[in-house]
Amino acid sequence: DVKVTQSSRYLVKRTGEKVFLECVQDMDHENMFWYRQDPGLGLRLIYFSYDVKMKEKGDIPEGYSVSREKKERFSLILESASTNQTSMYLCASSPAGTGALETQYFGPGTRLLVL
Amino acid sequence: GNSVTQMEGPVTLSEEAFLTINCTYTATGYPSLFWYVQYPGEGLQLLLKATKADDKGSNKGFEATYRKETTSFHLEKGSVQVSDSAVYFCALSDQWSNAGKSTFGDGTTLTVKP
Repeated sequence: DVKVTQSSRYLVKRTGEKVFLECVQDMDHENMFWYRQDPGLGLRLIYFSYDVKMKEKGDIPEGYSVSREKKERFSLILESASTNQTSMYLCASSPAGTGALETQYFGPGTRLLVL
Repeated sequence: GNSVTQMEGPVTLSEEAFLTINCTYTATGYPSLFWYVQYPGEGLQLLLKATKADDKGSNKGFEATYRKETTSFHLEKGSVQVSDSAVYFCALSDQWSNAGKSTFGDGTTLTVKP
């Protein structure tokens, strides 16, 4: 079974702190994604990566950056956390191939509270 | 651009009731369509998918048929159980999408009461 793990289930940070959210997948997937999930807004794509060191902006990249130094690991960075970044963050991965056919596999999520 | 519109929730049903959650989409290409489910405290997981028009996806008693003429992919189950309580997301992935990007609906929360 594909396993996607996220470093923390819950995080509490202060405004202005630098925050790292880590995601690791164990199925050699090429594609990895970071979403945030907010009530009434569904899932919104922050960034995605289709290869090591490659990254592309999603729909809401402002205030975030990412790093993919190894194929299995995709990190989301909040350079200076703000209260409006309080949210549930979901990581996902999928294999390369015919993009439209591929299921995304999700981690359990990290619930971040910025005070 | 691509978009997915889901029936607004929350939806509350009694056990053994019939479930329909509506989903319509807009896409520029020939998308694949997905239903994901999120149980409390967990990430999303694939429930079912369909990759071309008139395909029916099915899993765990849930079904959805890809209707190109009405651009719809409605989720149905004949008899829901308390364990089906979850948030359901409709999604599409366009064949031209870079890296298999998907577009998700806002999610519909289902509560099934005994």
